[in-house]
Amino acid sequence: GESVGLHLPTLSVQEGDNSIINCAYSNSASDYFIWYKQESGKGPQFIIDIRSNMDKRQGQRVTVLLNKTVKHLSLQIAATQPGDSAVYFCAPYSGGYQKVTFGIGTKLQVIP
Amino acid sequence: DAGITQSPRYKITETGRQVTLMCHQTWSHSYMFWYRQDLGHGLRLIYYSAAADITDKGEVPDGYVVSRSKTENFPLTLESATRSQTSVYFCASSEVGAGSYEQYFGPGTRLTVT
Repeated sequence: GESVGLHLPTLSVQEGDNSIINCAYSNSASDYFIWYKQESGKGPQFIIDIRSNMDKRQGQRVTVLLNKTVKHLSLQIAATQPGDSAVYFCAPYSGGYQKVTFGIGTKLQVIP
Repeated sequence: DAGITQSPRYKITETGRQVTLMCHQTWSHSYMFWYRQDLGHGLRLIYYSAAADITDKGEVPDGYVVSRSKTENFPLTLESATRSQTSVYFCASSEVGAGSYEQYFGPGTRLTVT
């Protein structure tokens, strides 16, 4: 089955710095990826998605990079703010909702 | 208000009791899901539904029952609760379209089985 891992379970960054959260996936059939943000006590919230035919996608202050060769995703957050403190996890899809695997997540701590 | 809601938000029950977690969405999304979230695990799919009266098992369905008689509601029932079912449960909904699999999650129900 799919295994999804994160390189850093906890990431601490200074306010204003850029953050990079990584995600490795194992299923080469994964063709769509979502990054979710989960604040304490809340449900996950969609941040950005990317299809496997893309290498990069940008949103507001966030950029996702996809390297299919090494099966790796990263989420870059520019000018990290205290409100960015949350758990972030990636979700690779490989053939529909029932085949999505949610990673354990990386906790981002923003130091004021 | 529009959105996806779950009730109750917190529940304590005893081993062997039946408990039902409610989920309601106002978007008329076709798909609805139940996940559990435990420390050390990512979200794990319990059951999902593609439309009213259509449900299917996910990764960890044992001990759970679902129904979907109306598009907007997707209750999850633990027929005889066990301590291993202590978890945070999230309901989600989604609509197929424009190639997006974005799921909208509810606020969660924290269930403790004593």
